[in-house]
Amino acid sequence: QVQLQESGPGLVKPSETLSLACTVSGGSIGSYSWSWVRQFPGKGLEWIGYIYNRGNTIYRPSLRGRVTISADPSKNQVFLTLNSVTTADSAVYFCGRGKDTAMDVDSWGQGILVTVSS
Amino acid sequence: QPLLIQPASLSASPGASARFTCTLRSGLNLNTYMIYWYQQKPGGPPHYLLRYKSDSDRHQGSGVPSRFSGSKDPSINAGLLLISGLQSEDEADYYCAIWYIGPEFGGGTKLTVL
Repeated sequence: QVQLQESGPGLVKPSETLSLACTVSGGSIGSYSWSWVRQFPGKGLEWIGYIYNRGNTIYRPSLRGRVTISADPSKNQVFLTLNSVTTADSAVYFCGRGKDTAMDVDSWGQGILVTVSS
Repeated sequence: QPLLIQPASLSASPGASARFTCTLRSGLNLNTYMIYWYQQKPGGPPHYLLRYKSDSDRHQGSGVPSRFSGSKDPSINAGLLLISGLQSEDEADYYCAIWYIGPEFGGGTKLTVL
């Protein structure tokens, strides 16, 4: 059974870069889509974007220019980079695997809390 | 106006049915959208339940009981999630989502089973 685990710093300073990794075990990252979703403290969910077909990406329009999702199949990892963060980027970040489509996610990581604060 | 509107809360009794609505913004044609539904319990990720576009174009998530079903109500331009035979374990937040430029979530409905 595939398992996903998010990792990265829990605290990032404003204007700096948030970098997270999603390590996949129990399966390879090929032939699936891999999403990053975040949940704000007030509970709202937001789809950040996803990577599919070994490198194609879709990003949330409001984050385009600040966000990059990439993957390293040799390490079975998917990455999220978000530049120029502000306190509004504080959230729990989840990675997930899309099975038939990006949105029917059949496996999720447990999530990682990232706080943006000086 | 938000893209997807969900009531903030819903209460129902054990054994009863619950009907969740996900109202699309005015001007969006309900017929053209696949509506996705997710269940989220405290501290966890949003688990995919099902997707529904029409009776001939729908999908049940792996392991999701048949008492969870999707539908649409064109009269209110809304996707529906129906849960029958409510159990205490169904108490959770329920989110709808559609593909609109990219994936977009509704604000979620908190289900209380009491």
